[in-house]
Amino acid sequence: EADIYQTPRYLVIGTGKKITLECSQTMGHDKMYWYQQDPGMELHLIHYSYGVNSTEKGDLSSESTVSRIRTEHFPLTLESARPSHTSQYLCASSSRGKTQYFGPGTRLLVL
Amino acid sequence: GQQLNQSPQSMFIQEGEDVSMNCTSSSIFNTWLWYKQDPGEGPVLLIALYKAGELTSNGRLTAQFGITRKDSFLNISASIPSDVGIYFCAGQSYSGGGADGLTFGKGTHLIIQP
Repeated sequence: EADIYQTPRYLVIGTGKKITLECSQTMGHDKMYWYQQDPGMELHLIHYSYGVNSTEKGDLSSESTVSRIRTEHFPLTLESARPSHTSQYLCASSSRGKTQYFGPGTRLLVL
Repeated sequence: GQQLNQSPQSMFIQEGEDVSMNCTSSSIFNTWLWYKQDPGEGPVLLIALYKAGELTSNGRLTAQFGITRKDSFLNISASIPSDVGIYFCAGQSYSGGGADGLTFGKGTHLIIQP
């Protein structure tokens, strides 16, 4: 059973607001990831991290930013939310390139 | 970049039937993973395959890593209502893109009619 948590689970917010999606894992995994997924569609990698102070852009361009100050924490921030950011955001972690385990996701709706 | 072709895109079956889905690629992968995602939740790992030719079972689920390392299939026997969801394959290549070269298929939507 994977111990990876995301908050909030659901977020409805107005255009222009700054938001931070939280992700934390208690497994001591070095690698963490953020994926974006539209309902019923495939997952797209938007950010990943090899460890503390490491952040990289994923395959899909995103206006969001991430930080990795602590091993267990990998928050994602949108400085100014727009309706085009409406989606589900999934966080995952893995140990030394092994299997990725996913959190429950945050469903974001920007009005 | 690498691409996975997952099929079928959706399946409508009767409860109790067996299910089969597969993923193919033109690229070689070192690992194949199968995930299931329920609506509004994150994907949950079902089976991980690490060796070409490997056949692994997890309850009613059976998955195989193709000999060519370019394909994998997942079978579900005697389907039940809780099997409903989206099934994703993922191939991992240490020489490929993404953080760990993990590439996802587009998913198979499984719908079960009672």
